Amino acid sequence: GENVEQHPSTLSVQEGDSAVIKCTYSDSASNYFPWYKQELGKRPQLIIDIRSNVGEKKDQRIAVTLNKTAKHFSLHITETQPEDSAVYFCAASIWSSASKIIFGSGTRLSIRP
Amino acid sequence: DAMVIQNPRYQVTQFGKPVTLSCSQTLNHNVMYWYQQKSSQAPKLLFHYYDKDFNNEADTPDNFQSRRPNTSFCFLDIRSPGLGDAAMYLCATSTPSQGERQFFGPGTRLTVL
Repeated sequence: GENVEQHPSTLSVQEGDSAVIKCTYSDSASNYFPWYKQELGKRPQLIIDIRSNVGEKKDQRIAVTLNKTAKHFSLHITETQPEDSAVYFCAASIWSSASKIIFGSGTRLSIRP
Repeated sequence: DAMVIQNPRYQVTQFGKPVTLSCSQTLNHNVMYWYQQKSSQAPKLLFHYYDKDFNNEADTPDNFQSRRPNTSFCFLDIRSPGLGDAAMYLCATSTPSQGERQFFGPGTRLTVL
């Protein structure tokens, strides 16, 4: 089955700098890659997602890149702000009528003022 | 607003005492999922329903059962909670017309005494 690895497990960046979180997946059939942000005690919130027919997607300060050949995908957050502090999960799935999302282990991002 | 609702938000039970967690949705989505999330870990899928079709994950303990009496409601029953079952339980929904995107409820935090 699918396995998703995520690095780093913790990341601390200065406010205003960029943060990058990287994930790899094992199943070449995976074709959907969401990223979730989870604040303490709250639900996972979908922040951006990308499908395998696209190499890059951007939404304001957040961008995701996908390298299907290498089975890598990454989350980029630019101009980080204190409210970006949270745990971020990457995930992968194979689209079907009921998709099963396989989550990475998470990255705890801290923004230093 | 259309949404995924979980009740209660906090549940305390005693070791071995059956407990039921509830999820409802106004999105009219076909698929409903139950995840278990322990502290500092990624959500772990327990099972999901596509309409009335139940799909159990291979490693979900028999202690966990689920019911979906209609499109809107789904229940998680823990027959004999152990201390290791203390966790956040997240319900999510999806529908084929919205692809793979899963929408999470706020979660129920279960404490086992």
